[in-house]
Amino acid sequence: AQKITQTQPGMFVQEKEAVTLDCTYDTSDQSYGLFWYKQPSSGEMIFLIYQGSYDEQNATEGRYSLNFQKARKSANLVISASQLGDSAMYFCAMREGGDQAGTALIFGKGTTLSVSS
Amino acid sequence: GAVVSQHPSWVICKSGTSVKIECRSLDFQATTMFWYRQFPKQSLMLMATSNEGSKATYEQGVEKDKFLINHASLTLSTLTVTSAHPEDSSFYICSAAKLASYEQYFGPGTRLTVT
Repeated sequence: AQKITQTQPGMFVQEKEAVTLDCTYDTSDQSYGLFWYKQPSSGEMIFLIYQGSYDEQNATEGRYSLNFQKARKSANLVISASQLGDSAMYFCAMREGGDQAGTALIFGKGTTLSVSS
Repeated sequence: GAVVSQHPSWVICKSGTSVKIECRSLDFQATTMFWYRQFPKQSLMLMATSNEGSKATYEQGVEKDKFLINHASLTLSTLTVTSAHPEDSSFYICSAAKLASYEQYFGPGTRLTVT
């Protein structure tokens, strides 16, 4: 079974609109971390936001917020006020076993976001 | 900040030759480094995890004799693709873990083309 599921291969949004990118995860660990990365065409992985499994509040970073629904095992990324520069591939990722940075991330298949003017 | 560099950023080599890719953490000591491979429009697939001074742990299906990983210091890990073939053409990305940080820091990636 897939550990990270991103069901939207592609999303299209107009500038200044908000968009939600879906992510569900599967783990039996109590302690885990969830990440979102942006990958533009250059290939670099840009860290956007992090949510720890014990964090009670949804994480926010500027225009990015993570809608964390633990019971549903979902960690959707919300981008408010989309900009043309937001066009990229977006990956949801999980690290099991808590906040130990020495554990590899498991990535979803990604969602390609296209923002038009 | 925490910066990870990769060298080279792109490389073209002939079939049968070997290619070495370096991953360096520039301003921190990396307890663990990871190597990922990414085909066009696909996800990142973990190839191996390396800790300084010990042998790398390879994921199932990754040939350790073909993808040699050396983690000689806390700031440098290398991936050598031996006897490269066209099917090894891919985007290789490393990341590094820093003590007391939940984040992994990614290098900019290396695009390998084998002709």
